[in-house]
Amino acid sequence: QVQLQESGPGLVKPSQTLSLTCTVSGGSISSGGYYWSWIRQHPGKGLEWIGYIYYSGSTYYNPSLKSRVTISVDTSKNQFSLKLSSVTAADTAVYYCARDRAGDYYDSSGSSIYYYYGMDVWGQGTTVTVSS
Amino acid sequence: EIVMTQSPATLSVSPGERATLSCRASQSVSSNLAWYQQKPGQAPRLLIYGASTRATGIPARFSGSGSGTEFTLTISSLQSEDFAVYYCQQYNNWPVLTFGGGTKVEIK
Repeated sequence: QVQLQESGPGLVKPSQTLSLTCTVSGGSISSGGYYWSWIRQHPGKGLEWIGYIYYSGSTYYNPSLKSRVTISVDTSKNQFSLKLSSVTAADTAVYYCARDRAGDYYDSSGSSIYYYYGMDVWGQGTTVTVSS
Repeated sequence: EIVMTQSPATLSVSPGERATLSCRASQSVSSNLAWYQQKPGQAPRLLIYGASTRATGIPARFSGSGSGTEFTLTISSLQSEDFAVYYCQQYNNWPVLTFGGGTKVEIK
C-alpha cells in the first residue's frame, strides 16, 4: 500500500526557509485522482492545511500562508516538497504530508464534476522547531 | 473563509456508551465534510467523507450525518481504541480546505 515519509531539518532559524520533502512509496505520485497535501499542527493545537499539489504541478495554497509557501513535485523521485519562507517561532509545528483522493470527471452532459474523498494516507509527521 | 466549529471541546464517555460529536460550518458546505481521528503521537486517520460515507476499513460503529451547516459524528459503542481527538474538515470551498478545532473524547 502507499506510504508517505516526511524528511528535513528539525531545527530552522528565524527568518530562514523551512524545507521538507515527502517521499511516496508503494505507488506512483503521477497516478491521477490524487492531490498531495501538506498539513501542520502547532503544539497541542488543531490541524492547519498548508496547501497541495497535483502531479502536473498545479498548486493550491491556504490563503493565510500563500505569500510564504511553495509546494513542488519531482515525479522522477516520487517526491513532493514544501518550502516556507521567513519563518518565525509561530511556524514551530508538526508537519504532515498526506494524499487527497480528489479530482474531476465529465458527466453525461459534459459538465465537469469534482469529487473529494478525503486525506486517506498520511505520513507519520515531522517536528520542526524554529529557534535561534 | 468557512469557519468550522466543533463541540464540545472535550467529551467524557464511558466505554460501551454512545458518543455524539458536533461540527458546525459558518456557511453551508452541503455534504462536503470529512471526519478524522487522531490518537496521541499519531497522524490523523480518515473516518468519514461525504458527511456519511465510511472510509475503507472503518468500523460500522462510526457513523456520520448532517448537511448544510450542522454535522454529527456518532460512535455507537465506544471501544478503548476510540478515545482520541476527532476533527471535521470541510471541502465545499475546494481547493481550499479548513479543519475544525477538534473534540477530545476521553474516558469517563
